[in-house]
Amino acid sequence: AQSVTQLGSHVSVSEGALVLLRCNYSSSVPPYLFWYVQYPNQGLQLLLKYTSAATLVKGINGFEAEFKKSETSFHLTKPSAHMSDAAEYFCAVSGSSNTGKLIFGQGTTLQVKP
Amino acid sequence: DVKVTQSSRYLVKRTGEKVFLECVQDMDHENMFWYRQDPGLGLRLIYFSYDVKMKEKGDIPEGYSVSREKKERFSLILESASTNQTSMYLCASSLTAPNTEAFFGQGTRLTVV
Repeated sequence: AQSVTQLGSHVSVSEGALVLLRCNYSSSVPPYLFWYVQYPNQGLQLLLKYTSAATLVKGINGFEAEFKKSETSFHLTKPSAHMSDAAEYFCAVSGSSNTGKLIFGQGTTLQVKP
Repeated sequence: DVKVTQSSRYLVKRTGEKVFLECVQDMDHENMFWYRQDPGLGLRLIYFSYDVKMKEKGDIPEGYSVSREKKERFSLILESASTNQTSMYLCASSLTAPNTEAFFGQGTRLTVV
């Protein structure tokens, strides 16, 4: 069975500081991993996905994530936080490689302080 | 751009009512999903459909049913709404392809009183 754990339900950073959101996965097969963002009162938007072509994945809005098989991790980072990054972030693993069925983590709310 | 449209952003219904949540996608995707989102629990899959008239139970199907009569439309039905079904409901769709991602609608916030 596959699962995802996001460490920290709330993360608070100052504007301009590094953003680090943690995600660990469990999968018996090579995983397909995703990060989504949800702004207030909106649906989920894809930030990036791991395709196995490269371990460092670049996404939208300056975010990137690094796949580390030895640590079963797929942490999301951004060098410098903006106020507009305040949102909820979800890590997900594909429950089925061809259908887009996803297993989500619990979510991490990112607060950006001025 | 892929568009997934949910018919209502906000709904308030009474306990015991039959509730229909509608979702339409415009990209000819084979797969459609209904998720429920609750604080601290992330998104949990209610039902999944991989073709017209085909459905598969997700992790929390109890109290829900679905209908997919046309490829572009996937409906979630609460047969007899209860207060513990107050939640945010998210519809999504995807292609059948390796490493495909899901595209989400804006969500329907349902309150059952």
